[in-house]
Formats: sequence, C-alpha cells, structure tokens
Amino acid sequence: KQEVTQIPAALSVPEGENLVLNCSFTDSAIYNLQWFRQDPGKGLTSLLLIQSSQREQTSGRLNASLDKSSGRSTLYIAASQPGDSATYLCAVSLGRANNLFFGTGTRLTVIP
Amino acid sequence: GAGVSQTPSNKVTEKGKYVELRCDPISGHTALYWYRQSLGQGPEFLIYFQGTGAADDSGLPNDRFFAVRPEGSVSTLKIQRTERGDSAVYLCASSSGLAGETQYFGPGTRLLVL
Repeated sequence: KQEVTQIPAALSVPEGENLVLNCSFTDSAIYNLQWFRQDPGKGLTSLLLIQSSQREQTSGRLNASLDKSSGRSTLYIAASQPGDSATYLCAVSLGRANNLFFGTGTRLTVIP
Repeated sequence: GAGVSQTPSNKVTEKGKYVELRCDPISGHTALYWYRQSLGQGPEFLIYFQGTGAADDSGLPNDRFFAVRPEGSVSTLKIQRTERGDSAVYLCASSSGLAGETQYFGPGTRLLVL
C-alpha cells in the first residue's frame, strides 16, 4: 500500500524567509504528484501538479520538485508571506483517474 | 463557472441514525471522488465514480457506507447506523478524467455523531 509521509508536521517562520516542505512516498510507481493547500475549515486547493515524467513545476513563488526514483518531492516557497499560512498536503496518484494518497500535511505559520 | 459544492456544510446526528451527504461536481466532470478527513490527518479515499458507475469502492470502510451517482452528475454518500467513529469531514472532488487533470475539491461536510 502506498504510504505518504510529510515532514515537518508543523513549521513556523518569520515573514520573508524561504522554506522547504518535504514529502516522501513508498511506492515509486506513481502517475503524478500534487501539492495542495488547505485553510482551516476549508477544502483543498491544488497548487502544483507534477507528472511522473517531470522533474519540477513552478507557479509564482512556489516550486515543486520530484525525484521519483527516491520517492521524494519538495515544495519550495520563496519570500514567505503571512497569507501563506495554511496546511500543505502532498498527494500521489497511481493512475490517470485514480484516487489520491495523501500525506498528513505540514502546518505552516508565517509570522508577520 | 461554479466549483464543487457540498451540502450540508455541517451535520450533527445521533449514534445509530442514517445520514446522506450530497456532492455537486463541476459541470461536465465525469470523475467524482469521495474522501474522509479525520482531525489532524490527510484525506483518505473512500470511493471513485466514472460516470454513473463506481469504478473503485475499495476505500469504503464497511457495508454501512454506500454511495450513488445515478445520472452521472450529483452524488450522494449514505451512511447507515452511524457510529461516533464516523465523525470527520467528508470531502468530494471531481475531475474531467483527462490525463494530467487535477482533482477539484469541495469545501466538505463536517459530520459529528453524538
């Protein structure tokens, strides 16, 4: 069974810092990997999706990398802002329309 | 266009009661997913529909849980004889089913079983 782990579980940084969130998965036969953001009491918002054949994706201040062979992904957030405070979830899919396997998330707090 | 909507947003029920949770996917999306998220955990897969049929129901925890999507659009998750351990946020997501397409999530239904 695919298991997804995220470290750290919680992270607190001052505004303006660059930071890295980590995700690891046990089965490297993934179809794609996604990073989501979840605000308290809200649903999930997709941030970046990386296909298994890709190494990284970028959107604004966010950059996600994928090392499929080692079962790892990182989410890099540049110049963090208080509005970035949320829980960040990593999820992998084993097929084109298959369900997602989620990690437990990293709760990020950016201090003004 | 509208995103994924779920009703009710909150549901409080008593142990042993029956509940129905509704999901309205994005118009035109053929794939629909139900997940359950317990406090402090990531979402866990329950069931996936492609059109009207359940393509994968391997995540349903037991036979008290059932879901339908009779016309290939709206889906209802049904829980019989609710237990306190069923308390969680139930999330619905939809996608076009095309390669590389992400899943779009609704705000969830927060279920509390007393």
